[in-house]
Amino acid sequence: KAGVTQTPRYLIKTRGQQVTLSCSPISGHRSVSWYQQTPGQGLQFLFEYFSETQRNKGNFPGRFSGRQFSNSRSEMNVSTLELGDSALYLCASSLGGLAPYEQYFGPGTRLTVT
Amino acid sequence: GENVEQHPSTLSVQEGDSAVIKCTYSDSASNYFPWYKQELGKGPQLIIDIRSNVGEKKDQRIAVTLNKTAKHFSLHITETQPEDSAVYFCAASSNTGNQFYFGTGTSLTVIP
Repeated sequence: KAGVTQTPRYLIKTRGQQVTLSCSPISGHRSVSWYQQTPGQGLQFLFEYFSETQRNKGNFPGRFSGRQFSNSRSEMNVSTLELGDSALYLCASSLGGLAPYEQYFGPGTRLTVT
Repeated sequence: GENVEQHPSTLSVQEGDSAVIKCTYSDSASNYFPWYKQELGKGPQLIIDIRSNVGEKKDQRIAVTLNKTAKHFSLHITETQPEDSAVYFCAASSNTGNQFYFGTGTSLTVIP
């Protein structure tokens, strides 16, 4: 099976712009989670989508949003970018359901805000 | 919410020695504990996991132990090799949703 793919791999944006990142989960996986990884804060949970519905949400401002499509692919959007949004954005997919299932990560999108 | 603490933050061992990384969690409802290895420029890779109905699990040179009473779990790597050098993360999750809580990571260096 193909792994989790994320596009683009690298992005450079300017403060105030918006950005959309894409994630394609492993075939058959219905849950997609997004994380922000920075050297100072580690892996921080943004949100999780399951069957096109946001099921969990972390403590991030409303500038961070996401959605999931019927084929389980997911996008996250960050509006009005700030310098502090520079980070590695990771998505992870799993089967989903109520019990915690193995979660597999993609390679990440490195976002740099200047 | 759940709080996962991980120690040490850095660890250096000689090739062939063992490495142990420890994590504690706060939510007694947590019942799934995966470990991830992240190499430079890559996403975290799931290397082993354990569920709360099991006390220990082994996969070749890697083992994980879980003490539910004390709310801690550990990763053991034996016969370390230079390619084991990476950042390792522990995590915890429960049946109350597919949310994972991660430790702050341990940077392991294996010295040849």
